[in-house]
Amino acid sequence: QSVLTQPPSVSAAPGQKVIISCSGSSSNIGNGDVSWYQQVPGTAPKLLIYENNRRPSGIPDRFSGSKSGTSATLVITGLQTGDEADYYCGTWDSSLIAVVFGGGTKVAVL
Amino acid sequence: EVQLVESGGGLVQPGGSLRLSCAASGFSFSMYWMTWVRQAPGKGLEWVANIKQDGSTKYYVGSVKGRFTISRDNAKNSLYLQMDSVRAEDTAVYYCAINRGRAWFDPWGQGTLVTVSS
Repeated sequence: QSVLTQPPSVSAAPGQKVIISCSGSSSNIGNGDVSWYQQVPGTAPKLLIYENNRRPSGIPDRFSGSKSGTSATLVITGLQTGDEADYYCGTWDSSLIAVVFGGGTKVAVL
Repeated sequence: EVQLVESGGGLVQPGGSLRLSCAASGFSFSMYWMTWVRQAPGKGLEWVANIKQDGSTKYYVGSVKGRFTISRDNAKNSLYLQMDSVRAEDTAVYYCAINRGRAWFDPWGQGTLVTVSS
């Protein structure tokens, strides 16, 4: 059971939008910044979003993040087949004194 | 180009030991916190441990406290994870990554597989 809760899967047609939620508590999301990672099966995770809504260079603006209270959201617009992957949220938990991740969300492009 | 290359994975018996290494290049290794994250087969990401620039501060996930030790050698641009008293549930791909913020990591190495089995 992960400390951060994500839906197991989401799906949409090419060109559409998907929204991935990440729910936590006051000791983690409510108290710090959230990051998001994309992992294509068989490869290492890649940073998509850091500090809630900032994109590293090279990440297209189709990927956006936000945070409100104890929840965070990753939005992917203009969905492409290459976006099929697992997506993870992560943050620091001040009660556990540890980094925590969500269980991951598999994005399928129909 | 920033590169992180893990090594040292393999098959180990329950109760045994293994030392993972992560060779860093292309950046000022001594200026960054570093971290280990693992992923069991078919499962999600689990943060394992991180270490401050000078090695003076370390944090661990509860399940490995007292069994795993993170360390670094800034002169060799290398990060290590000493794994003792390993258990079947430690079976995973282990990734090293640059810990750039409080809890965000970029980039990640390609990972090294550790299998704990008799």
